[in-house]
Amino acid sequence: RKEVEQDPGPFNVPEGATVAFNCTYSNSASQSFFWYRQDCRKEPKLLMSVYSSGNEDGRFTAQLNRASQYISLLIRDSKLSDSATYLCVVSGYTNAGGTSYGKLTFGQGTILTVHP
Amino acid sequence: DTGVSQDPRHKITKRGQNVTFRCDPISEHNRLYWYRQTLGQGPEFLTYFQNEAQLEKSRLLSDRFSAERPKGSFSTLEIQRTEQGDSAMYLCASSGTSGSYEQFFGPGTRLTVL
Repeated sequence: RKEVEQDPGPFNVPEGATVAFNCTYSNSASQSFFWYRQDCRKEPKLLMSVYSSGNEDGRFTAQLNRASQYISLLIRDSKLSDSATYLCVVSGYTNAGGTSYGKLTFGQGTILTVHP
Repeated sequence: DTGVSQDPRHKITKRGQNVTFRCDPISEHNRLYWYRQTLGQGPEFLTYFQNEAQLEKSRLLSDRFSAERPKGSFSTLEIQRTEQGDSAMYLCASSGTSGSYEQFFGPGTRLTVL
């Protein structure tokens, strides 16, 4: 089982649509959670951190359910410029090798295309 | 430009050759990370440094791979005896050790092994 699993999509939606991405993670000791955005042939960039209380940044809302080990991202009023790959990321967990706070563990990514 | 830089941006090599990539982090960042990304997948962690100390290495980092950060500033990643399976985008990221810990990524080095 992969440590972070996402539906790879692709999601094709019209402008103005609401779209939701889901992600699950396997290590219950994970401590930090993020959504990154990656444009085609570019580097990943942090979109937003995800907190247990849920957080919103403009049209983007992220939720975390620690009990279910589930992370979500909701994009409202989609824009053409939202077309990208959205990567679910977890960090900071303890395994048999000890605690690692540094490395990011990425999901496969979900491809979003917003069309006119 | 004060972001993370990587050199070269593209490298084409023949199987069996050695290659070396360089990463220059954001100047005040003391943590530096290497990741590898293949088509259709998210980046996979390879190794990271805090200052000059290499604190963690992935099992993906076979004995053909070596990374250094000798003065705690720039880092190099060397792949010896390249194989076709090494073809990927190699991403470098840096972060501080306080505040948001956000990792900022460089543009990557795209390696093609023929």
